[in-house]
Amino acid sequence: AQSVTQPDIHITVSEGASLELRCNYSYGATPYLFWYVQSPGQGLQLLLKYFSGDTLVQGIKGFEAEFKRSQSSFNLRKPSVHWSDAAEYFCAVRGAAGNKLTFGGGTRVLVKP
Amino acid sequence: DAGVTQSPTHLIKTRGQQVTLRCSPKSGHDTVSWYQQALGQGPQFIFQYYEEEERQRGNFPDRFSGHQFPNYSSELNVNALLLGDSALYLCASSLASTGELFFGEGSRLTVL
Repeated sequence: AQSVTQPDIHITVSEGASLELRCNYSYGATPYLFWYVQSPGQGLQLLLKYFSGDTLVQGIKGFEAEFKRSQSSFNLRKPSVHWSDAAEYFCAVRGAAGNKLTFGGGTRVLVKP
Repeated sequence: DAGVTQSPTHLIKTRGQQVTLRCSPKSGHDTVSWYQQALGQGPQFIFQYYEEEERQRGNFPDRFSGHQFPNYSSELNVNALLLGDSALYLCASSLASTGELFFGEGSRLTVL
């Protein structure tokens, strides 16, 4: 069975500082990996995805993520955080066949001025 | 181009009642998936519809049922509501060929 763990429930970061959100997955074959962002009361917006190829993927809003197969990780990073990045971030995994996504529990990011 | 639209946005029901939530997929999409997101948790997969049939189902009881119409829109029905059914219900649409999901803003259900 596939699963996703996001070890950090909350992260507080100062505006302009760098941000890294951790994601570990469990999946028996080659995973398809995703990061979504959810603002309060909103649906989910796709930040980036990894299917294959270059293990460093670029997304929207200045985010990037690195796939490390040896560590079963897909960590999300941003070099300089803006106040508008305050939101909840979800990592998700699915297999090559089918569209079912398995989500982690999420990491809530608070941005200090 | 409208994205995924869901209705209603908020609703309140009492235990034992039944509820129907509606979803219109993004233009051109043929597959609809439903997720339940309890407060403070990640979304959990309920089921997926393609060609008007349920193709995949998550670990949810039979009280949760759905339907997809010829125009690809979908409904989620929940019978005999429990307090634990209170959640944000998210609809996502996709093309069967690509699998990339686009989410609506959800329907927030409160069961009293």
